[in-house]
Amino acid sequence: QKEVEQNSGPLSVPEGAIASLNCTYSDRGSQSFFWYRQYSGKSPELIMSIYSNGDKEDGRFTAQLNKASQYVSLLIRDSQPSDSATYLCAVRSNFNKFYFGSGTKLNVKP
Amino acid sequence: ETGVTQSPTHLIKTRGQQVTLRCSSQSGHNTVSWYQQALGQGPQFIFQYYREEENGRGNFPPRFSGLQFPNYSSELNVNALELDDSALYLCASSAPDRSTDTQYFGPGTRLTVL
Repeated sequence: QKEVEQNSGPLSVPEGAIASLNCTYSDRGSQSFFWYRQYSGKSPELIMSIYSNGDKEDGRFTAQLNKASQYVSLLIRDSQPSDSATYLCAVRSNFNKFYFGSGTKLNVKP
Repeated sequence: ETGVTQSPTHLIKTRGQQVTLRCSSQSGHNTVSWYQQALGQGPQFIFQYYREEENGRGNFPPRFSGLQFPNYSSELNVNALELDDSALYLCASSAPDRSTDTQYFGPGTRLTVL
């Protein structure tokens, strides 16, 4: 079992729609959770971090964390073609190790 | 731009050789983590350095080693290169002393092993 699991996609949504990205993790003691965006050939760039159960909003992005279900999600409202990228979920475990999922490729169609 | 820099940008080596990759952390960050990202995969955690000491390690063999210097810059050394070591190597800096472990990535070094 991988430490962090994501659906590889691709997830295709029309411009203006809501994109929903999901992630599950295996270490119940995990402390910190992150979403990164990675364009092809580039390094990951931080979208958001979340540490407590519930929702955290930043502009068009909302991260949701449910530690009981070991589940993290990212919602992108009003999706734009420029949002087309691979989205990486990352988790910091109790032992100060960081785990990334393989990423979900998002395509936003004009 | 995150303020994290890496050198070189690209590197080609042959199997069995040794390589050193370098990273300068963002101003004010005292922690550097290294990752290996193979094509189509997520980054794999190699190790983290905090105040010049290794502070966490992933499932990589001992031929992957590192250093952190007093100015918090860091090196990743890989000995006895194998073909599977071909990947994008990323470093990320953070400032956990400031109650945040958020990591900011540099542009990466693309290593090709022939």
